[in-house]
Amino acid sequence: GESVGLHLPTLSVQEGDNSIINCAYSNSASDYFIWYKQESGKGPQFIIDIRSNMDKRQGQRVTVLLNKTVKHLSLQIAATQPGDSAVYFCAEITLNRDDKIIFGKGTRLHILP
Amino acid sequence: NAGVTQTPKFRVLKTGQSMTLLCAQDMNHEYMYWYRQDPGMGLRLIHYSVGEGTTAKGEVPDGYNVSRLKKQNFLLGLESAAPSQTSVYFCASSLPGGLASYEQYFGPGTRLTVT
Repeated sequence: GESVGLHLPTLSVQEGDNSIINCAYSNSASDYFIWYKQESGKGPQFIIDIRSNMDKRQGQRVTVLLNKTVKHLSLQIAATQPGDSAVYFCAEITLNRDDKIIFGKGTRLHILP
Repeated sequence: NAGVTQTPKFRVLKTGQSMTLLCAQDMNHEYMYWYRQDPGMGLRLIHYSVGEGTTAKGEVPDGYNVSRLKKQNFLLGLESAAPSQTSVYFCASSLPGGLASYEQYFGPGTRLTVT
């Protein structure tokens, strides 16, 4: 059957290099953002999150940057490893009377040996 | 601790057939969700539940029904399957309250094909 990742943009990165994956979000009022990693045949896995009142947050080998002026989110992965091969997608959350979460379509990260 | 599990992993249905997808979680989470994932699209929320005995519609509820009779289980039913319901279905669970409800733990998915 067709993979859900078949039509996604692909980023190819040499093993050991840094990767930057981008996401444009839609709602300037979104309060919270999450990056997920989805390996082939598995469910999405939470990587890192950031609140809208922050512009940078760091985790282990990952950094998320938020630019609210242009509604842009990026995920930086340092020293990319073969195990980082996956589809990465962002999610934006708007917290109000009707909380809403919108998931991005994703980017496939391909690690070159 | 198995986390979130889904049954079955794969299924092929003929148009008009019915089936139930089972999701189970052993983390004592209050919130549970059913999503579908289609090529070229982000995850879309079908139905969700904020506690045992309660369910609510998500973004794309038509053609699906759900039940949450036990806290640890969330069932997704298709009464009369259609080819448009061919997709990969993910269940997720989370703790309640504010941002914690968005730190969702996902199951491995069920790939459903309707012919």
